[in-house]
Amino acid sequence: DAKTTQPTSMDCAEGRAANLPCNHSTISGNEYVYWYRQIHSQGPQYIIHGLKNNETNEMASLIITEDRKSSTLILPHATLRDTAVYYCIVIKNAGNMLTFGGGTRLMVKP
Amino acid sequence: GAGVSQSPSNKVTEKGKDVELRCDPISGHTALYWYRQSLGQGLEFLIYFQGNSAPDKSGLPSDRFSAERTGGSVSTLTIQRTQQEDSAVYLCASSSLAPLPGPYEQYFGPGTRLTVT
Repeated sequence: DAKTTQPTSMDCAEGRAANLPCNHSTISGNEYVYWYRQIHSQGPQYIIHGLKNNETNEMASLIITEDRKSSTLILPHATLRDTAVYYCIVIKNAGNMLTFGGGTRLMVKP
Repeated sequence: GAGVSQSPSNKVTEKGKDVELRCDPISGHTALYWYRQSLGQGLEFLIYFQGNSAPDKSGLPSDRFSAERTGGSVSTLTIQRTQQEDSAVYLCASSSLAPLPGPYEQYFGPGTRLTVT
């Protein structure tokens, strides 16, 4: 699976959009970009995934560049409850175990 | 609906004792994963069950670790002769692996915090 690079930490004001970048320059054609987050003392939570096209669900939007070498997770209106570590991972299809790196620690501030 | 549940939520044990950790996956999910996470660290894969196939045990750190999944549902992770380095949060996740061709997200339980004294 391709390696990902994320900033260690980011701050965001409550109510503003949080834009979390991820680089995955070695991604191959059959690998998906997944985002999970982990709120303190809880298990990881799935957020969104994509292959080539931009995706949106009730939690977030995922913007993938045309060359697929990077992506951005967007939380449109961050709340204090969105404070968590956000993990960007790249994996092939079904059944693959997850490997989380350091992730981005997002702090949403009032 | 009900999510993945794990028990106990916390377990403190003495070095050398055996422990059993339980995971109840989401009903109907055929894939079940065990991971562990040490303090401030990322996720470490331990073992993966998929349907009736032989489990992928490639992540188990030693032969003191074993897991089984009965009836394709509940899973138990057993650690024999626990050591202090086994202290971590043990996380279970399940996935539907359907409909084909995927991909599929994993749903995690709250974890069991194991402390070996």
